[in-house]
Amino acid sequence: GDSVTQMEGPVTLSEEAFLTINCTYTATGYPSLFWYVQYPGEGLQLLLKATKADDKGSNKGFEATYRKETTSFHLEKGSVQVSDSAVYFCALSRTNAGKSTFGDGTTLTVKP
Amino acid sequence: NAGVTQTPKFQVLKTGQSMTLQCAQDMNHNSMYWYRQDPGMGLRLIYYSASEGTTDKGEVPNGYNVSRLNKREFSLRLESAAPSQTSVYFCASREQANLSYEQYFGPGTRLTVT
Repeated sequence: GDSVTQMEGPVTLSEEAFLTINCTYTATGYPSLFWYVQYPGEGLQLLLKATKADDKGSNKGFEATYRKETTSFHLEKGSVQVSDSAVYFCALSRTNAGKSTFGDGTTLTVKP
Repeated sequence: NAGVTQTPKFQVLKTGQSMTLQCAQDMNHNSMYWYRQDPGMGLRLIYYSASEGTTDKGEVPNGYNVSRLNKREFSLRLESAAPSQTSVYFCASREQANLSYEQYFGPGTRLTVT
């Protein structure tokens, strides 16, 4: 079945450091890939997405590129801020039934 | 535009009690979902409704029932709560049951079963 594997956390960085959170997936066909962010006490919200191979999703300085050859969708940001502290979830959708498969989440803490 | 709303925000139940979690969306979305979130386990799909009038089981449906009351509302019922159902429950909606569309999440219901 479908699966999403994220790098284990927690991740702690200093402000302005470079961020990479790895995400790899297993799925047949051509899934759509997503990164969601969850701030403390809130629900998940979409950060970025990519719907076909080689697409790059970007938002708020975050980027991720859909790599079919390596089945990966790694999240990057060049300079993190304290306000980026949150839990990040990688997810895929493969069928039109709309069901999504989520990774376990990676907790990011950014220190001033 | 409130998006996805959930009630209640917090709930404590005793083992064996029943309750219904309410979810409503005002975005005219066709598909709605219920997830549970447990530490270190990501989100697991309980039930979903791809369109009004249909419901299907997800990954962990045992101990739950759902009702798609209309296009806006999708409720989750625990008939006889168990401590294993202590979790944070999220409702989500999607414009269409199409794989390229993202989901919109509510703020969650934090449920404790003692």
